[in-house]
Amino acid sequence: QLVESGGSLVQPGGSLRLSCAASGFTLSSHWMYWVRQASGKGLVWVSRINSDGSRTGYADAVKGRFTISRDNANNMFYLQMNSLRAEDTAVYYCARDILSSSSAWGQGTLVTVSS
Amino acid sequence: QSALTQPRSVSGSPGQSVTMSCTGSSSDVGAYSSGSWFQQHPGKAPKLMIYDVSKRPSGVPDRFSGSKSGNTASLTISGLQAEDEADYYCCSYAGSETLVFGGGTKVTVL
Repeated sequence: QLVESGGSLVQPGGSLRLSCAASGFTLSSHWMYWVRQASGKGLVWVSRINSDGSRTGYADAVKGRFTISRDNANNMFYLQMNSLRAEDTAVYYCARDILSSSSAWGQGTLVTVSS
Repeated sequence: QSALTQPRSVSGSPGQSVTMSCTGSSSDVGAYSSGSWFQQHPGKAPKLMIYDVSKRPSGVPDRFSGSKSGNTASLTISGLQAEDEADYYCCSYAGSETLVFGGGTKVTVL
């Protein structure tokens, strides 16, 4: 099971950290992802991190502003979001192994960037 | 990182087959065998339906099938059922630790 938290209303230019708590499996064995979905729009890949945190990737739209990280010891992983913009407003999903049979998704957390 | 191209909608009657495409490029869909398809019902999290282009996870009915030709992946639903009405998204690895999703296809069961 994956449970996201940390979504809220934030002003443009502000920061937010999303968390994803994993249970029922060993986080350290899996690639982890963040995917977002604006209201009424499609899925957009945001970031991914490999099992030991040594490899990360970011969508161009968030590169330099967002940072993905993980704490395998506590079965948690994170998305630090800085310099937030209105276009970052979306439901953010954490997911496991998007490209393999063990794919699993959380229920999402809403981030709203507005003044 | 341009989104993969999917038709906005497809429709069919119960029992019919529908096929939706997912067109990318030689840098994503055409380059890797790691394509996935996800089903999403309104207000719900996405669910994996196909991975590695044509493999089904356990629990997914065998009326869902995937294929690829060149830079285009396809998802076919055979024997369409009412519960198949949903949005479907393709996803591909795009190199350099990046992924890309398609814009989504809405399947309507008439």
